Amino acid sequence: QSVLTQPPSVSGAPGQRVTISCTGGSSNIGAGYVVHWYQQLPGTAPKLLIYGSTNRPSGVPDRFSGSKSGTSASLAISGLQAEDEADYYCQSYDSSLGGYVFGTGTKVTVL
Amino acid sequence: QVQVVESGGGLVKPGGSLTLSCAASGFTFSDFYMGWVRQAPGKGLEWVSHIDKGETTYHADSVKGRLSISRDNAKNSLYLQMNSLRAEDTAVYYCARISSGVYHGPFEYWGQGTLVTVSS
Repeated sequence: QSVLTQPPSVSGAPGQRVTISCTGGSSNIGAGYVVHWYQQLPGTAPKLLIYGSTNRPSGVPDRFSGSKSGTSASLAISGLQAEDEADYYCQSYDSSLGGYVFGTGTKVTVL
Repeated sequence: QVQVVESGGGLVKPGGSLTLSCAASGFTFSDFYMGWVRQAPGKGLEWVSHIDKGETTYHADSVKGRLSISRDNAKNSLYLQMNSLRAEDTAVYYCARISSGVYHGPFEYWGQGTLVTVSS
């Protein structure tokens, strides 16, 4: 039972912009802990996409961007491409649980 | 380049035990926190446990008292001792390096995963 809630799915046409929300609470995102985002292509291990809420690791296209406000965070994908079709997960730290927490996951479909 | 490679997965009966290993290379292992994340078939990601550069460990409530993380810095290896296994522990288990650059940093490098199946 994840404490970070994401929409189950989002979709968009190639070239469009989509956003994925990640809603937490006062013991995780709302407490000021940073949010990280991962992309998981079918049959592969997750890959770090955004760290520290807004930063991209080397090699991640600038089409991917992250933001954080209050008890929520968001991942935006602009200029959607077919290769972006994957599952996306947010992750943070929860002080009540004393450990890391992942979001419920969002499947992105490119129409 | 940074690599983490898991091994030790397999089929085990309920109540049984298994030890997963993770061999690290391409970086100074003792400088980084390490962790385990699992993914049940068709489900999302779940943090299992992580360990600091020494012996301080952290475990999810769902595995406390049954699964135990440890490391051997001399062997560049991470372990997950799994006891009293249940059907709900069936998952792909990923070993991952935790970034040192950000407080409560991300899992920045992941292995390919090893499948643990708990079934009679």
